[in-house]
Amino acid sequence: QVQLVQSGAEVKKPGASVKVSCKTSGYSFTGQFIHWVRQAPGQGLEWMGWINPYSGGTEYAQKFQGRVTMARDTSISTAYMELSSLTSDDTAVYYCASSPKSGYAAYWGQGTLVTVSS
Amino acid sequence: DIQMTQSPSTLTASVGDRVTVTCRASESVRRWLAWYQQKPGKAPKLLIYEASTLESGVPSRFSGSGSGTEFTLTISSLQPDDFATYYCQHYYNYPYTFGQGTKLEIK
Repeated sequence: QVQLVQSGAEVKKPGASVKVSCKTSGYSFTGQFIHWVRQAPGQGLEWMGWINPYSGGTEYAQKFQGRVTMARDTSISTAYMELSSLTSDDTAVYYCASSPKSGYAAYWGQGTLVTVSS
Repeated sequence: DIQMTQSPSTLTASVGDRVTVTCRASESVRRWLAWYQQKPGKAPKLLIYEASTLESGVPSRFSGSGSGTEFTLTISSLQPDDFATYYCQHYYNYPYTFGQGTKLEIK
């Protein structure tokens, strides 16, 4: 079955960067897009962007342009999301999700809590 | 950016009820709309995509309809497992955006 397993919780100081990994299994890694979505405590869902693991192509929400980098390592079927210049507003659970198309997110990871605190 | 507005924000209902959640887009998203269910502390779960296509394994009591700017998610007969928060999301253009969520509570 399709599984996405994310890296563990992180605590970062303001101004730092965080890199979250998303290891996939149960399907062809290069056959589905990987989306990244975040959810601040008690808030709704926010789409950050996607990466096409086949080509490495990316699409980022303008809000995160210049601060986010999505990458992949096809040899280990893993996607990465790095967010820099962290502030307290970036405290959230970050989810990866796969999809056969670039739109909706079909299969989700368990989420990674990133806490930004001085 | 396209704004997605869900109503109501909170819905109180009983097991066996038929409920409808509405999602309105600030401009047309054609049929590029998905619905998700999220329970506390868990990742969202895809229910419906392309406005009305039921994801594999999702019970048939869930249905979606609409196109353009107005969409609905209907649960035909509420089950105890359905009490959760529901989100719509468009994927017509960038950035994809979600509605603010509708929390379905037990009466």
